[in-house]
Amino acid sequence: AIHLTQSPSSLSPSVGDRVTITCRASEGISTVLAWYQQMPGKPPKLLISDASNLETGVPSRFSGSGSGTEFTLTISGLQPEDFATYYCQQFRSFPLTFGGGTKVEIK
Amino acid sequence: QVTLRESGPALVGPTQTLTLTCSFSGFSLTTSGMYVTWVRQPPGKALEWLALIDWDDNKYYSTSLKTRLAVSKDTSKNQVVLTMTNMDPVDTGTYYCTRIPGRFLEWEGGFHYSGMDVWGQGTTVTVSS
Repeated sequence: AIHLTQSPSSLSPSVGDRVTITCRASEGISTVLAWYQQMPGKPPKLLISDASNLETGVPSRFSGSGSGTEFTLTISGLQPEDFATYYCQQFRSFPLTFGGGTKVEIK
Repeated sequence: QVTLRESGPALVGPTQTLTLTCSFSGFSLTTSGMYVTWVRQPPGKALEWLALIDWDDNKYYSTSLKTRLAVSKDTSKNQVVLTMTNMDPVDTGTYYCTRIPGRFLEWEGGFHYSGMDVWGQGTTVTVSS
């Protein structure tokens, strides 16, 4: 199975900060990686597909990049509504796998 | 509008079998390239993928749980059913169903999958005697 390692596991930025979350795959997965945002008590929401494709309606301050084994999710200018947990997930092969999550908490 | 809704028991006993139903609307699981999948989340922990069924009735399972899981579909009812045997307290958590639409890419000669684009609200299952 392809293992996804997210870092950091948590961070406490301030509103307006630039935030970068990394997802590393145990083997190359091309760009078949998605990013999700999960608010407490809610289901995850798809933010980015194919490593860098912003889903409709997702604010442009979110961006994704990477290919192969290293990927990043960047939030440029953190807003109060962005405090949540973020997960990466790969579609390269079964079993599908998620990263361990990155919790973005209010400082 | 695409919606999915999970239903099932809120409480199951240890060693019992859990049966969850995902009822969906706004799309069909007869559409080529369509997947419906199950994901769970223990309290305070990360998402874990469980199982998937596709339009052609192919099924895929988590490696660690495959001996306990079974997924099936009823296309006439727009439902997908997940069963998990031999439930244990560590299986306590929220269970989600979600869809993954595929796009056919000529140059790849197959379907491309990008993301779990619509999720149900989840159903909470507690395993306890």
